[in-house]
Amino acid sequence: EVLLVESGGGSIQPGGSLRLSCVVSGVTIDEYAMHWVRQAPGKGLEWVSGISFNSVTIGYADSVKGRFTISRDNAESSLYLQMDSLRPEDTALYYCAKDARLLQIGGGFDSWGQGTLVTVSS
Amino acid sequence: QSALTQVASMSGSPGQSITISCTGASNDIGSYNLVSWYQQHPGKVPKLLIYEVNKRPSGVSDRFSGSKSGNTASLTISGLQAEDEADYYCCSYAPVSTLIFGAGTKVTVL
Repeated sequence: EVLLVESGGGSIQPGGSLRLSCVVSGVTIDEYAMHWVRQAPGKGLEWVSGISFNSVTIGYADSVKGRFTISRDNAESSLYLQMDSLRPEDTALYYCAKDARLLQIGGGFDSWGQGTLVTVSS
Repeated sequence: QSALTQVASMSGSPGQSITISCTGASNDIGSYNLVSWYQQHPGKVPKLLIYEVNKRPSGVSDRFSGSKSGNTASLTISGLQAEDEADYYCCSYAPVSTLIFGAGTKVTVL
């Protein structure tokens, strides 16, 4: 069974920083792209960022570009999201998700964590 | 990066079939066979139903099927059941190495 466990969420003031982590078990993630997807309270899903299996290809949503940085450590089966210059509109449940496509980005998200809540408020 | 367009809500009676549309642009849905669909029940984690336009992951009911024509992708739910009442989201690969979701469709089983 593939298990993704996020951590690092919390309450933070606007302008602050947080680092989210996701530990994956049950699959060798070094063959798959990984992603962060968020969902604001009562709203729909929003893709935030994705990283290829070898960290060569990285993409960001326009809404977070220049403020968020995705990274991964395959040896630790871990995915990270460094979030800087946080805004109230970044308030959401942040999911870590595994790409369904071997080696490449874009196959969809076939495994999800339970999410970690980020609240940005003064 | 504009969100893909989905109708906000749909409804159907048990046993009926419904089709949810997802309209994008020539540089996302129109350019890639990388459309996926998700089901999300309230308070639950999204579940992958369809990937690469029309492929079903193991364990997903064959009542769910996907297709694409031009810039529009579709999810059909056949033999609607009470448990299908949920939110449904489409997602497409887009340039450059990004993905984009639709706003979601709330399906109600009458």
